[in-house]
Amino acid sequence: QKEVEQNSGPLSVPEGAIASLNCTYSDRGSQSFFWYRQYSGKSPELIMFIYSNGDKEDGRFTAQLNKASQYVSLLIRDSQPSDSATYLCAVIYYGGSQGNLIFGKGTKLSVKP
Amino acid sequence: DTGVSQNPRHKITKRGQNVTFRCDPISEHNRLYWYRQTLGQGPEFLTYFQNEAQLEKSRLLSDRFSAERPKGSFSTLEIQRTEQGDSAMYLCASSWGQGDMNEAFFGQGTRLTVV
Repeated sequence: QKEVEQNSGPLSVPEGAIASLNCTYSDRGSQSFFWYRQYSGKSPELIMFIYSNGDKEDGRFTAQLNKASQYVSLLIRDSQPSDSATYLCAVIYYGGSQGNLIFGKGTKLSVKP
Repeated sequence: DTGVSQNPRHKITKRGQNVTFRCDPISEHNRLYWYRQTLGQGPEFLTYFQNEAQLEKSRLLSDRFSAERPKGSFSTLEIQRTEQGDSAMYLCASSWGQGDMNEAFFGQGTRLTVV
């Protein structure tokens, strides 16, 4: 069973704080991990991808990957009200068909002014 | 506009009718995905193409659903004999998948309402 697990939230943080979003996955063979942001009524937007263990930083966003623990996270520094959205974790699953992209249910983030 | 394009954006249909959606991926993207999303849920995988080959279909995809990607370019998703439970946002995404690299980009979606 291909599974990507996220806490559905809502996660509420004050403006300027660090928001921490977490994701676990079931396929130990997965190599590719993605974070998407989805505003209400809109389609998902790719904001980060990470392929190697460790941290990857892009502006206010940092993705962290720990393959041994099958865990990937997204940190948002200096959170802004405009960051309020649902954040979706996605994982490439291998096995019968290389490249299948599976999503978690998403974590709803609310940044309070 | 060089992004993923989906048509129509909205579709209202009566139960029992057939509907067809179209997705035009980003030019030269070899992978194309279809997802269904309902309120408060993440995108549920429906099916996936690499070029013109349909590599995987979800068990969610009943016999009423069919997808094609002729010549590895645009794709269509058809739902026959629609049911109220088919009401959802249908999302298409495309990527240039090469080994582990697979950044996928979504279209705006087609919102289906079955009445």
